[in-house]
Amino acid sequence: DFQMTQSPSSLSASVGDRVTITCRAGHSITYYLNWYQQKPGKAPKLLIYAASTLQSGVPSRFSGSGSGTDFTLTISSLQPEDFATYFCHQSYTTPWTFGQGTKVEIK
Amino acid sequence: QVQLQESGPGLVKPSETLSLTCTVSGGSISTYYWSWIRQPPGKGLEWIGYIYDGGSTNYNPSLKSRVTISVDTSKNHFSLKLSSVTAADTAVYYCASGRVPEYWGQGTLVTVSS
Repeated sequence: DFQMTQSPSSLSASVGDRVTITCRAGHSITYYLNWYQQKPGKAPKLLIYAASTLQSGVPSRFSGSGSGTDFTLTISSLQPEDFATYFCHQSYTTPWTFGQGTKVEIK
Repeated sequence: QVQLQESGPGLVKPSETLSLTCTVSGGSISTYYWSWIRQPPGKGLEWIGYIYDGGSTNYNPSLKSRVTISVDTSKNHFSLKLSSVTAADTAVYYCASGRVPEYWGQGTLVTVSS
């Protein structure tokens, strides 16, 4: 399996902060990396696919970068509605695998 | 816009078979990728498998011996069967669509307990 390792597992930040979450794959997954946001009791929401393509309707403060094994999700200016858990997901090969999640909490 | 809705029992006894259905509206189930993904309470996401192009399947090897995903095009829904369940199979089960899962159902909690 292609293990996906996210860091940090949690972080505390304030509204307006720039937030960066990283995801590392055990092997190269080229650009087949996706990012999801999940709020309590809700299904995950696709934010970014193919490492850097913003899903339709997602605010432009979200961005993704990287290729190969190292990827980053950046929130340029954290908003109150962004407090949630974020997961990376590789769709390069099956079994699809997800990172363990990063919980973004209010400082 | 595609909408998905999971349905099925919320409680299953150990050793029995978990059966869930995902009803799709706003899209044809004959094409595209249709997945099952689960999330144990307080934990991360685990891909169970998908069905695509109307009938081909791909399963997570960790569950492959117990999983069957099928599609009923006449009802525009697809189904999950997971046999010989244990408490470790207690989770919220989501159905989702897309080569990259874009549309998701709301999820349904299935508890395995006697």
